[in-house]
Amino acid sequence: DGGITQSPKYLFRKEGQNVTLSCEQNLNHDAMYWYRQDPGQGLRLIYYSQIVNDFQKGDIAEGYSVSREKKESFPLTVTSAQKNPTAFYLCASSIAGGRRDTEAFFGQGTRLTVV
Amino acid sequence: GDSVTQMEGPVTLSEEAFLTINCTYTATGYPSLFWYVQYPGEGLQLLLKATKADDKGSNKGFEATYRKETTSFHLEKGSVQVSDSAVYFCALGAGTALIFGKGTTLSVSS
Repeated sequence: DGGITQSPKYLFRKEGQNVTLSCEQNLNHDAMYWYRQDPGQGLRLIYYSQIVNDFQKGDIAEGYSVSREKKESFPLTVTSAQKNPTAFYLCASSIAGGRRDTEAFFGQGTRLTVV
Repeated sequence: GDSVTQMEGPVTLSEEAFLTINCTYTATGYPSLFWYVQYPGEGLQLLLKATKADDKGSNKGFEATYRKETTSFHLEKGSVQVSDSAVYFCALGAGTALIFGKGTTLSVSS
């Protein structure tokens, strides 16, 4: 089945450590996205990539980094510089970036907790 | 900049009641509009969409009409079920990434 796979589903991190969240898609989509979800805040865009080897900062990129070396993969690293990393992280993809009419398909999310 | 505003929840209804969740938007140009649903602990699923003014999106008994004159895309369902309990997000597509509202929690009791 085609879809987006995020792993792990739950992740615990000690303060001061970097951690990488995995996102893989087999939909052959060009564009991929990372959103952060906090209670009552909706979804806020962290980074997006419209094509391999290119990515752009979203609204809340500070303390995060990404790479897009392969079309199917868009890992997100939460660095120690992120002041409040505990949240639910959602990865998404769409068939093409830069188009207003294309919907995004979402993974099941990773819940990150700093302990 | 572009933005989406949803009615605040939670919305609490009895089974078979009529549902409306309000959504208004601010955008330059001609955005597309979407409704997504999120069940507990899961990602978002597309519920319906509309890509131009006066289009009506519909799916699983839910409907929403793209109203350019009132910049609105209200979600409606004639008779809700317990299984409709979830968080609903209105979203706007303007060319880069989708912009989401803050979500509205719907709780349906039997």
